[in-house]
Amino acid sequence: NAGVTQTPKFQVLKTGQSMTLQCAQDMNHEYMSWYRQDPGMGLRLIHYSVGAGITDQGEVPNGYNVSRSTTEDFPLRLLSAAPSQTSVYFCASSSWDRDYGYTFGSGTRLTVV
Amino acid sequence: GESVGLHLPTLSVQEGDNSIINCAYSNSASDYFIWYKQESGKGPQFIIDIRSNMDKRQGQRVTVLLNKTVKHLSLQIAATQPGDSAVYFCAESVQDTDKLIFGTGTRLQVFP
Repeated sequence: NAGVTQTPKFQVLKTGQSMTLQCAQDMNHEYMSWYRQDPGMGLRLIHYSVGAGITDQGEVPNGYNVSRSTTEDFPLRLLSAAPSQTSVYFCASSSWDRDYGYTFGSGTRLTVV
Repeated sequence: GESVGLHLPTLSVQEGDNSIINCAYSNSASDYFIWYKQESGKGPQFIIDIRSNMDKRQGQRVTVLLNKTVKHLSLQIAATQPGDSAVYFCAESVQDTDKLIFGTGTRLQVFP
């Protein structure tokens, strides 16, 4: 199993551009979520999903959209990139019983100039 | 949880000593707690978890203690090794909300 796969690993955007961060998991996990981590800080929840077709907002959802059309994929869309969105983005997934916590991807480092 | 900005609390321990990392969680309805280890440039890595119906859980060299009365969680690492150097985060979850919220991290530095 590959676990949680995030692409791309690095990305530079200009202010106002849009892009989609990809996240895929092959563990048949129901729960998936997106976090952002700013330098020297903890992880803040952006959006999460408890199953295909169901999404909800986390702590910092503004400027981001998500969809969950399949169990495996949970893309994060930046609608109009801003410098404040410069961060490292992590995707995570978990089974419904949350055994062994949430499995995280290796992250996408995004810089908005 | 709120961050402490650019300066994470730091715990410095000597190799071989025991480490205790503390965490105060915010929601009395939280029923599941996880400790994560994050090394530089990597995603968080699961260490150990505990549910609210337990006070203590042990793993290999690690123990998590949960005090629901004061909403406090601790991670004990026995015989700390250089490879334990990392940032450690606690996270809480409320089953009805299905959200995992991270607390402030602690940087663990192990010196010889």
